Amino acid sequence: EPEVTQTPSHQVTQMGQEVILRCVPISNHLYFYWYRQILGQKVEFLVSFYNNEISEKSEIFDDQFSVERPDGSNFTLKIRSTKLEDSAMYFCASSQDRDYEQYFGPGTRLTVT
Amino acid sequence: AQTVTQSQPEMSVQEAETVTLSCTYDTSESDYYLFWYKQPPSRQMILVIRQEAYKQQNATENRFSVNFQKAAKSFSLKISDSQLGDAAMYFCAYRSEGGGSNYKLTFGKGTLLTVNP
Repeated sequence: EPEVTQTPSHQVTQMGQEVILRCVPISNHLYFYWYRQILGQKVEFLVSFYNNEISEKSEIFDDQFSVERPDGSNFTLKIRSTKLEDSAMYFCASSQDRDYEQYFGPGTRLTVT
Repeated sequence: AQTVTQSQPEMSVQEAETVTLSCTYDTSESDYYLFWYKQPPSRQMILVIRQEAYKQQNATENRFSVNFQKAAKSFSLKISDSQLGDAAMYFCAYRSEGGGSNYKLTFGKGTLLTVNP
């Protein structure tokens, strides 16, 4: 069964560094999402992406964040200058169409020191 | 804005028994979707079941069923004949029906289910 994959599974970085989290959505899916979960808190929506542009973003998704689909398979989340409070689990998800279920990847645990 | 509340941080059940996980939500919308996702130790978020708000019939997927009470804004998950593999974190989630681009999921904080042999 096709699944969403994410790399790396765990990323440790120093405050102020740039990180890129990578996702490979399911191949025939058209809508892509990033969510994050700070330890002990809710899973929160960050951004949705369709047709090579952002379709919706939350207030969390400020200028430090960007998303890109650099080729036909990858979907990336970049954090330009990481802060301690960016430490969280980041989940990528994809859906075939906007009314379809979102399928999640296993997440990338980001630790900012 | 919509909110989702899961009031049970942890639950436990004996293998083969039945357990019900609670979820309530707050919305002013009339059309929306509700979901239960499971997150086992492997961390993969797996869709368990989906309910459309316009459907009166409760959704069922094998041993998983929901009790959807639209007026009460309640959406509980019942797991029958619990198995060791059901042990996981369970998240309740809400999604607007659509209109514009609002397809994001709003999650509760989750309920950690332990299954005892």
